[in-house]
Amino acid sequence: IAGITQAPTSQILAAGRRMTLRCTQDMRHNAMYWYRQDLGLGLRLIHYSNTAGTTGKGEVPDGYSVSRANTDDFPLTLASAVPSQTSVYFCASSPKQGTEGLEQFFGPGTRLTVL
Amino acid sequence: GQSLEQPSEVTAVEGAIVQINCTYQTSGFYGLSWYQQHDGGAPTFLSYNGLDGLEETGRFSSFLSRSDSYGYLLLQELQMKDSASYFCAVPLSGSARQLTFGSGTQLTVLP
Repeated sequence: IAGITQAPTSQILAAGRRMTLRCTQDMRHNAMYWYRQDLGLGLRLIHYSNTAGTTGKGEVPDGYSVSRANTDDFPLTLASAVPSQTSVYFCASSPKQGTEGLEQFFGPGTRLTVL
Repeated sequence: GQSLEQPSEVTAVEGAIVQINCTYQTSGFYGLSWYQQHDGGAPTFLSYNGLDGLEETGRFSSFLSRSDSYGYLLLQELQMKDSASYFCAVPLSGSARQLTFGSGTQLTVLP
């Protein structure tokens, strides 16, 4: 693989169910991010990880959790899905430290529908 | 907190020049970035301005004025394939790498 992959591509989920969105990158980037994109609201940061073993909360973290056990993988978990979590989810990564790390590389996205 | 404003829609014809403006409010500042997103696709990085002035990359240029908290993306010699959404982004308060994005400008290029 080259770049960032996300799985699944799309998913329909019943409310209350647990769901993990997968993200894997092979670029050895230090930092990884999860965004959600809703119509008219642009991209909003859910959680991030500056390096393996560390995570942080973004703008809209409630209802989501992440882990970063290694450099390549950054899964996003919805413990109990609700309809307001219907969105397109993008995973991204960036290669550098400090102010140079503003170029982010995005995966193809996961379209999630919670009914 | 951070906030960004950009127009929701812009329309132009092939071959023309279009400017997409972005104004921002931040408590700290590490630069302004621009991303392009085609319908159904992933956002892709276009440019970054850390200092005032114009940065040029082919048909695309980006400008920043930190004193005015303002920047713009300039697209020249428009092509049909430039029809997409364009997002400006700045770092979240307290960090240089976690970004907050504007709501996006939908550019439509007409033949």
